[in-house]
Amino acid sequence: EPEVTQTPSHQVTQMGQEVILRCVPISNHLYFYWYRQILGQKVEFLVSFYNNEISEKSEIFDDQFSVERPDGSNFTLKIRSTKLEDSAMYFCASSGDRGSDTQYFGPGTRLTVL
Amino acid sequence: AQSVTQLDSHVSVSEGTPVLLRCNYSSSYSPSLFWYVQHPNKGLQLLLKYTSAATLVKGINGFEAEFKKSETSFHLTKPSAHMSDAAEYFCVVSGKFSGGYNKLIFGAGTRLAVHP
Repeated sequence: EPEVTQTPSHQVTQMGQEVILRCVPISNHLYFYWYRQILGQKVEFLVSFYNNEISEKSEIFDDQFSVERPDGSNFTLKIRSTKLEDSAMYFCASSGDRGSDTQYFGPGTRLTVL
Repeated sequence: AQSVTQLDSHVSVSEGTPVLLRCNYSSSYSPSLFWYVQHPNKGLQLLLKYTSAATLVKGINGFEAEFKKSETSFHLTKPSAHMSDAAEYFCVVSGKFSGGYNKLIFGAGTRLAVHP
């Protein structure tokens, strides 16, 4: 069964460093998403991406964040200058046809900022 | 705006007894509703989905949920708990946008413990 994959599973970085979180969505999906879950808090929407551009972003997704689909398979989330409060689990998700509600999630990347 | 409230942060049951995880939603239109499960150190797995076709939705692993519009509820149930059901469960509503994409709005989660 097709699944969303994410690498790395755990990333440790120093405050102020850039990190790139990688995702491989399900191959025929068209819509891509990033969510995050700070320890002990709700899963929060960050951004949605379609047709090589951002469709919607939350207030969390400020200028420090960017997303990219550099090739036909990968979908990345970059944080330019990490802050302590960026420590969280980051989930990538993808969905298929236009209007399809069902999003399939990857296993997550745990980001720890020291 | 859409929102979701999970009424219990922790539920503890004995193996073999019924499970009830409660969820209320708020939506300005007919929503799509989901339950996702997260096992320790795992990702989010879709349990089931409601999209107005039928009010009683069956999911994986024996779980089901009933959509009750009059009560704005979407409670998750299972007749008999298994030890492997111990996990965090999230009730989720979909917020649609005109571009065809959507964003998911998560409840705070209910941690289910199953005791022998």
